[in-house]
Amino acid sequence: QLQLQESGPGLVKPSETLSLTCTVSGGPITTGTYYWGWIRQPPGKGLEYIGTIYYGGTTYYTPSLKSRVTISVDASSNQFSLKMTSVNAADTAVYYCARQGNPYDDYPAFDSWGHGILVTVSS
Amino acid sequence: VMTQSPATLSVSPGERATLSCRASQSIHNYLAWYQQKPGQAPRLLIYDASTRATNIPDRFSGSGSGTEFTLTISSLQSGDLAVYYCQQYRDWPPYTFGQGTRLELK
Repeated sequence: QLQLQESGPGLVKPSETLSLTCTVSGGPITTGTYYWGWIRQPPGKGLEYIGTIYYGGTTYYTPSLKSRVTISVDASSNQFSLKMTSVNAADTAVYYCARQGNPYDDYPAFDSWGHGILVTVSS
Repeated sequence: VMTQSPATLSVSPGERATLSCRASQSIHNYLAWYQQKPGQAPRLLIYDASTRATNIPDRFSGSGSGTEFTLTISSLQSGDLAVYYCQQYRDWPPYTFGQGTRLELK
């Protein structure tokens, strides 16, 4: 059974860089059937798509965050990562990693999610 | 832009719940529905507007195309209390979500 697990610091100072890792178990990240994404949810609010990566390195980002976000993949560790620079209080949220269907072959819905990690931006 | 209505829906146990999602332009049938229970990650319910995801009971059904979509939960159970989100994947990035509908027990 596929499992995703987010890890990283729960507290980041304003203007610094947020770094999270998603470890995938129960299946290879190198499958061509899926992409791998990050979604966040500010406390008490809705879901916001951040970006997606294919194991080959192709990335897609939401335009409003594109200048601050980098998603990368480490196939040897079956992990993918999120870096967000220059964070501020508005970046405080639960960050989820998720598996997404290949948008070129299938339906690109997010069909498997990690439990999420709360990241607070505060000094 | 994806707009969901109502923001909150109160339904009695055993009754039917009907949730709506409207797209600002046609997204054909490129729509998913998710269920998020308190303190949990979202769970995929429906994709391609009307196809149930794996292990989703047939009490959950989706319909619609173009700009108007509906999620119907027949015979509501207490375990269905959650926030429900729609998400389009016609024009991406970004994959935009609706703001959610909170389903409560009456």
